[in-house]
Amino acid sequence: GQNIDQPTEMTATEGAIVQINCTYQTSGFNGLFWYQQHAGEAPTFLSYNVLDGLEEKGRFSSFLSRSKGYSYLLLKELQMKDSASYLCAVRDLTTDSWGKLQFGAGTQVVVTP
Amino acid sequence: DADVTQTPRNRITKTGKRIMLECSQTKGHDRMYWYRQDPGLGLRLIYYSFDVKDINKGEISDGYSVSRQAQAKFSLSLESAIPNQTALYFCATAPGQGIRADTQYFGPGTRLTVL
Repeated sequence: GQNIDQPTEMTATEGAIVQINCTYQTSGFNGLFWYQQHAGEAPTFLSYNVLDGLEEKGRFSSFLSRSKGYSYLLLKELQMKDSASYLCAVRDLTTDSWGKLQFGAGTQVVVTP
Repeated sequence: DADVTQTPRNRITKTGKRIMLECSQTKGHDRMYWYRQDPGLGLRLIYYSFDVKDINKGEISDGYSVSRQAQAKFSLSLESAIPNQTALYFCATAPGQGIRADTQYFGPGTRLTVL
């Protein structure tokens, strides 16, 4: 089975940096996704990590450590529009999970002026 | 134009009514998924399909059924709606091939209220 944990809510100031952690336990891990979801809207794809290390994409970076079952999403130079829920999702290649993603409950990021 | 569309976007219905939610995609993806989202519970998988002849139950399929009419269309039905099926419903697609085989792309969602 899979267990994905991420904090429920984080608050940060405009212009600051926020790091959203995600830990997972899965038997056939083969990649981790991050999605952004504004209230009442669809989740949108942000990043995909399958190898250890940091992937940078503009103001957003995602890190993965497979040995520790750990990932983080780093949001730099926060803007008000970054206020959203951030979902961590795991790709697992075991038979029961193949072709599906297991989503965490999401971390609500609140950016204050 | 949106790649993944859902109709209706909002629906209010009464207990016991039959409801169909429709999803269409122009991405040419083989895989399609239906999720529901409730506050604090995240996304939960209802049904998924890897091609037109393939239908699989997700973790919460009871009370729901689906139909994959074509590669581009995947419908979710509630045969007899009940109030605890009030939720935000999302359709998603994934390529099924290549390095991003499992990257899912979501439709805009359907907000369903069952009174």
